[in-house]
Parts: sequence; structure tokens; C-alpha cells
Amino acid sequence: SQTIHQWPATLVQPVGSPLSLECTVEGTSNPNLYWYRQAAGRGLQLLFYSVGIGQISSEVPQNLSASRPQDRQFILSSKKLLLSDSGFYLCAWSEIVGGTQYFGPGTRLLVL
Amino acid sequence: AQTVTQSQPEMSVQEAETVTLSCTYDTSESDYYLFWYKQPPSRQMILVIRQEAYKQQNATENRFSVNFQKAAKSFSLKISDSQLGDAAMYFCAYLLYNQGGKLIFGQGTELSVKP
Repeated sequence: SQTIHQWPATLVQPVGSPLSLECTVEGTSNPNLYWYRQAAGRGLQLLFYSVGIGQISSEVPQNLSASRPQDRQFILSSKKLLLSDSGFYLCAWSEIVGGTQYFGPGTRLLVL
Repeated sequence: AQTVTQSQPEMSVQEAETVTLSCTYDTSESDYYLFWYKQPPSRQMILVIRQEAYKQQNATENRFSVNFQKAAKSFSLKISDSQLGDAAMYFCAYLLYNQGGKLIFGQGTELSVKP
């Protein structure tokens, strides 16, 4: 069966520091991968998605970036964190475009 | 632009009773997918149910069922025989097939279950 992992689970970082959040999927090949952010416990907003290695589509212009160095690995990064980057970050995968998305456990990021 | 609206920020139900959560959406597409996700206090998003727009039959998963009204662009979730473990935030979502499968989420409905 397929599983999706995210780490770290919780992160507290100072403003201006770099960021690297990792997401990996097991048990499937060539998944579609997604990064969402949830602020204040409400609706999710798509940040990036990827349909293959090295293919990244950005939805919201900001100081975050994403990379997909391996088939089942998706990384969310920032060179300098802002206070507004605080939130809950969720990674998701699907088998095909239009397929059901399954979410990881998420990472709580607090920028101080 | 596609939007999803959940007009009930909070709902409450007595254990073993039935509750319906509302969701409306706006789209010009004829073929799309709709979902309900549950987010318990752990905050992991858990799939509850999926509906394909081309199917007239309403989706059902055990105690969870939907009332899909395509013409009215309405997609409500009915939870029967509510259990304490059903207490969570529930999100309605619309899938944009031609944008990489992007999900558009509503703002959520927080459901509490009273014993």
C-alpha cells in the first residue's frame, strides 16, 4: 500500500532563516505531488504541484520554492523565511491528474 | 473562476443523530470531481467521499453520503448515526482537472458531536 511521509512534524524558525520541508511517497511510481498551505485552521491553498521529476508548477508567487529531485520526493524551500510563512504545510499525492489526492501528516511551521 | 463555499462555519449534532453539511461551488466546466475531506485535531486531511460530476448517482461510503445537485451546483454531505469520532473540521473541495489536478477548498465546517 502507499504511504506518504513528511518531516519535520514541527519546526520553529527565526525570521530570515532558510527552510527545507521534505515529503516522500512510498509504494507508487511517478505520482503527482502537491504542496498546500493552511493558515489559521481554515481552507488549504495550493502552492506547487509536480507531474514528474524536475517539473514544478507554481500557483502563488512568494518567497517559497519547490523541487523534485527524485520520483517520489518533493521538497519545499525558502532562502529567507518571513513571519507570514507560518502555517501548516501539507503534501499530497495522486496516481493521475484528476485522481484522488491523499495527504501526509503535515508540518507545523512557526516563524518568530 | 472556480470557487467553493461552505456557509456553515460550525455545526453540532447529537450522537447517533444525522447531520448535513452544506457546500456550493461555482464552475463553468461540465466534467469535474468533488470531494469531502475530514480534518481531525491531528490536522491530517482524510478523504471522506468522492463524487464524479458525470455520475448521476450520489456517492455513499458507509455512514457518509452526498446529495449532489449538478444544476444547482450543490454538494452536501450527510453523516448518519453520528459518532464521537466524527468530530472534526470538514472541507468540501473541487478538483480542477486542467490545472494539474488542483484542489479548490472551501473554508470548512467545524462539526462537534455531543454525547
